[in-house]
Amino acid sequence: QKEVEQNSGPLSVPEGAIASLNCTYSDRGSQSFFWYRQYSGKSPELIMSIYSNGDKEDGRFTAQLNKASQYVSLLIRDSQPSDSATYLCAVYILTGGGNKLTFGTGTQLKVEL
Amino acid sequence: GAVVSQHPSRVICKSGTSVKIECRSLDFQATTMFWYRQFPKKSLMLMATSNEGSKATYEQGVEKDKFLINHASLTLSTLTVTSAHPEDSSFYICSARFSGGSYNEQFFGPGTRLTVL
Repeated sequence: QKEVEQNSGPLSVPEGAIASLNCTYSDRGSQSFFWYRQYSGKSPELIMSIYSNGDKEDGRFTAQLNKASQYVSLLIRDSQPSDSATYLCAVYILTGGGNKLTFGTGTQLKVEL
Repeated sequence: GAVVSQHPSRVICKSGTSVKIECRSLDFQATTMFWYRQFPKKSLMLMATSNEGSKATYEQGVEKDKFLINHASLTLSTLTVTSAHPEDSSFYICSARFSGGSYNEQFFGPGTRLTVL
């Protein structure tokens, strides 16, 4: 089992719709969770961090965390073409070398006009 | 979010030469910086973790003598690709972890695209 799993997509949604991106992780002890956005040819940009169960909202973005199910998601409301990018889920996983930020392979989101 | 800069943004070099990439945290102190590599349409791959004032910790399969990392201050880490070859051509991205407070967010630099001819 991969440490952080995401559906690679592409996930296509029409402009104005809600995009729902999902991520599961293997380490039940993980406490810190992040969503990054990466445009093609660019580096990742941190858009959300979440540490407690429940929802955390920031503008059009809502991160949801369920530690019991080892599941974290990102909702993007009123999706815009500019939201088209790859979204990376990242989780701190305890390894032999200490806590390491571990990335999923990313979900490609396409927002269509 | 915090700002991390990288220089140069793009470099083209001949095979056999060495290339140095600088990574700076501009508005915070970063005790830990990370170096990643990303090939086209592939995932981010962590190469090494760099702690200020100590030796870097390399991931399995990454040659420490080829990828020299120096983290001399809380705001600067450098990666030197020695004797570069075409297979080293990639997108190199540094990241810095904010070391203040109870949060542990990690911010990325804009990346350096290396092309080895």
